[in-house]
Amino acid sequence: GAVVSQHPSWVICKSGTSVKIECRSLDFQATTMFWYRQFPKQSLMLMATSNEGSKATYEQGVEKDKFLINHASLTLSTLTVTSAHPEDSSFYICSANPGQGAISRTYNEQFFGPGTRLTVL
Amino acid sequence: AQSVTQPDIHITVSEGASLELRCNYSYGATPYLFWYVQSPGQGLQLLLKYFSGDTLVQGIKGFEAEFKRSQSSFNLRKPSVHWSDAAEYFCAVALYDAGNNRKLIWGLGTSLAVNP
Repeated sequence: GAVVSQHPSWVICKSGTSVKIECRSLDFQATTMFWYRQFPKQSLMLMATSNEGSKATYEQGVEKDKFLINHASLTLSTLTVTSAHPEDSSFYICSANPGQGAISRTYNEQFFGPGTRLTVL
Repeated sequence: AQSVTQPDIHITVSEGASLELRCNYSYGATPYLFWYVQSPGQGLQLLLKYFSGDTLVQGIKGFEAEFKRSQSSFNLRKPSVHWSDAAEYFCAVALYDAGNNRKLIWGLGTSLAVNP
């Protein structure tokens, strides 16, 4: 249980286009989802926290208009990289938190998707 | 401010040797602590976690970690390393932000190489 999927697993796009990445919790409801960015051989950088039905909370330095996050349901969050440029190329990872209603052992635990490799040409 | 420190950026051990990866945290309240492993081209996998209770935690793949409050540490150990353990290891602490959102604060990671 507690599986999180991401789609696509990799994407190549032209500079100036927008790219949407989906994050789904397959067998649980996620009240909170997180979006991370990871540069090669570096740690994860939290970009934003999204709660179902409300606006995402962005970390300092992350452009809200650049990285649009939508958490429309308890099983789906999307990250849209708008007007992508080569510097946006990175590995994007989402995670999902089951929340207080979940099995107690999973509370406070995040389950991670496999990541999406974005390359902007 | 809350932080997680992994002092060793890169470690190389021989297959069969014991392993200890260090993790220190700075957090005022009782921490929820995690160790994750990331293999090349793969997603993050939870090795083990500490929420409360027994300070020696057993995880998957033969790993264990010990929470030491007095030292603010949560070091990861394995008695005998296998070549397949070569990966990036991340320590993390969970906390609540001002908006009452649960967040993970990550260490910079330790890259483990295993010699045959």
